[in-house]
Amino acid sequence: AQSVTQLDSQVPVFEEAPVELRCNYSSSVSVYLFWYVQYPNQGLQLLLKYLSGSTLVKGINGFEAEFNKSQTSFHLRKPSVHISDTAEYFCAVRRIFAAGNKLTFGGGTRVLVKP
Amino acid sequence: KAGVTQTPRYLIKTRGQQVTLSCSPISGHRSVSWYQQTPGQGLQFLFEYFSETQRNKGNFPGRFSGRQFSNSRSEMNVSTLELGDSALYLCASSPSSGGGLYNEQFFGPGTRLTVL
Repeated sequence: AQSVTQLDSQVPVFEEAPVELRCNYSSSVSVYLFWYVQYPNQGLQLLLKYLSGSTLVKGINGFEAEFNKSQTSFHLRKPSVHISDTAEYFCAVRRIFAAGNKLTFGGGTRVLVKP
Repeated sequence: KAGVTQTPRYLIKTRGQQVTLSCSPISGHRSVSWYQQTPGQGLQFLFEYFSETQRNKGNFPGRFSGRQFSNSRSEMNVSTLELGDSALYLCASSPSSGGGLYNEQFFGPGTRLTVL
């Protein structure tokens, strides 16, 4: 089985400051890794994904994440946040050779960007 | 292309009733997955349907069921509603399912169910 831990449930940050959201996972098999964002009253939107190759992946809206296999981490970063980045962020994994598309999610991190 | 559509968007039911939620995937997508989102338990996988067959099932009681039609539209049903079933129910569609390939999932806006 897989599990995902997001180490911070809430992260307050000032506008134009950097932010890092931490994600650690546990899995006995190889996984794909994802970050999703959820704005109020909306579904989930894919920010970025790690499938293979370069461990630094870039996503939409200026976000990037780094896969660290030895530390089983996939932390999300943005060098300068905007008010519009206020949302909840979810880290997720999916077994690579699974029979289906099941995603296992972390508990989420609420980011509140202050002016 | 139109995105994933879920109906209704909001629903209020009372304990003991049953409810049916609908999900229309992106055109051409054959896989539909359902997730329950609650403040206490977070996002939990309910089940996935692919080509009208249940592919995977999460750890939920038998009161939760689903099906998929030949046009890939999916419904989920919850019978004998309990207060704890209050949640946002999200569906996600994907072109295909598993098999060692990456299949991006596209999420709908969700149906917010309130059980009184």
